Amino acid sequence: DTGVSQDPRHKITKRGQNVTFRCDPISEHNRLYWYRQTLGQGPEFLTYFQNEAQLEKSRLLSDRFSAERPKGSFSTLEIQRTEQGDSAMYLCASSFRAQDTEAFFGQGTRLTVV
Amino acid sequence: GQQLNQSPQSMFIQEGEDVSMNCTSSSIFNTWLWYKQEPGEGPVLLIALYKAGELTSNGRLTAQFGITRKDSFLNISASIPSDVGIYFCAGQTSGTYKYIFGTGTRLKVLA
Repeated sequence: DTGVSQDPRHKITKRGQNVTFRCDPISEHNRLYWYRQTLGQGPEFLTYFQNEAQLEKSRLLSDRFSAERPKGSFSTLEIQRTEQGDSAMYLCASSFRAQDTEAFFGQGTRLTVV
Repeated sequence: GQQLNQSPQSMFIQEGEDVSMNCTSSSIFNTWLWYKQEPGEGPVLLIALYKAGELTSNGRLTAQFGITRKDSFLNISASIPSDVGIYFCAGQTSGTYKYIFGTGTRLKVLA
């Protein structure tokens, strides 16, 4: 297993378009997280799943954002009607349900809205 | 969104020097993680801490879980040029599995 995989690595889109990102977690990990990171800031929590259940969502996740993890494996994050303020790095992380949890990140998807 | 306070914000040090940085919160945390991030890449996990007072090392890196459970410290000994990057702390409170990240400490090492 090569770790958390995100696709695409880079996405440039026009304002108003919809975009979808994919995350494949480490295979035995049942928790999956989405974070957003803007320049000069630390990652900000968006949402997380335990298996297929979305257990927590941040207020940062507006109505234009939706995340799914239909079979408890890979996850998708969709942004509808993109705005310039959506430009950021979108990071996915996964962890294994246990008493001690360590979250491992993918390389991220860099979104630029023009 | 909520972020933890990290200090210093940035450091310029000479190769071979030791580095110390910390992370503080107004809330109690059950877990502290330290990450390093390089430009255009995702954060890479360095050290995980699970108990108050715990001291854990990973090569030249040593991190401590503060006794009050509201802070954590990371030390890097004998810095080398490849230590350059942004170091983030992340904490997890009880009742949730999300991690809250710090504002980051940008480290630059001068050869």
